[in-house]
Amino acid sequence: AQTVTQSQPEMSVQEAETVTLSCTYDTSESNYYLFWYKQPPSRQMILVIRQEAYKQQNATENRFSVNFQKAAKSFSLKISDSQLGDTAMYFCAFRFYGQNFVFGPGTRLSVLP
Amino acid sequence: DVKVTQSSRYLVKRTGEKVFLECVQDMDHENMFWYRQDPGLGLRLIYFSYDVKMKEKGDIPEGYSVSREKKERFSLILESTSTNQTSMYLCASSSQGRLNTEAFFGQGTRLTVV
Repeated sequence: AQTVTQSQPEMSVQEAETVTLSCTYDTSESNYYLFWYKQPPSRQMILVIRQEAYKQQNATENRFSVNFQKAAKSFSLKISDSQLGDTAMYFCAFRFYGQNFVFGPGTRLSVLP
Repeated sequence: DVKVTQSSRYLVKRTGEKVFLECVQDMDHENMFWYRQDPGLGLRLIYFSYDVKMKEKGDIPEGYSVSREKKERFSLILESTSTNQTSMYLCASSSQGRLNTEAFFGQGTRLTVV
């Protein structure tokens, strides 16, 4: 069975600085998807970034980028130039093709003014 | 704009009551999911449906059942609620194909059982 681990229950960062959230996963599959989702306080869960395992290039979306290390089964999220609106729970998730999503326990990120 | 809509944002029920949580998506997605979200535990899968009238148990199906009679609608049923079912319930949908495989979420239903 696939599992996802996020070892940092809570983190904080000063506005405009950079922060990295960690995620590791366990699977025997070779082709799959990895995701980072953001859940702002009392608001809907939204996708931040997606990575396909067969792609070697790390995904980037504006201020958000990932460091995908397939051999190490590691998928960290880097947020550059942190903004107050980045304050949220962040969930790492894994999906094998056509199957359900497996989520980590989440990291609560606070961006401090 | 894609949308997953859950019927209630907040619900308060008494122990032993029957509860229906409804979820509707407008994206013609094959897959639909019900998750339960608790602090420190992340999202745990209750049930997963990959097509109309098809369902699979997730990690924590005990005390829950589901219904999917139409492609756009996936209902979660709590036959007889208990206090340990107090939680946030999230519905999601996704495409079956290899492209656009992300999950789209509803706004969540916070259920309190007293």
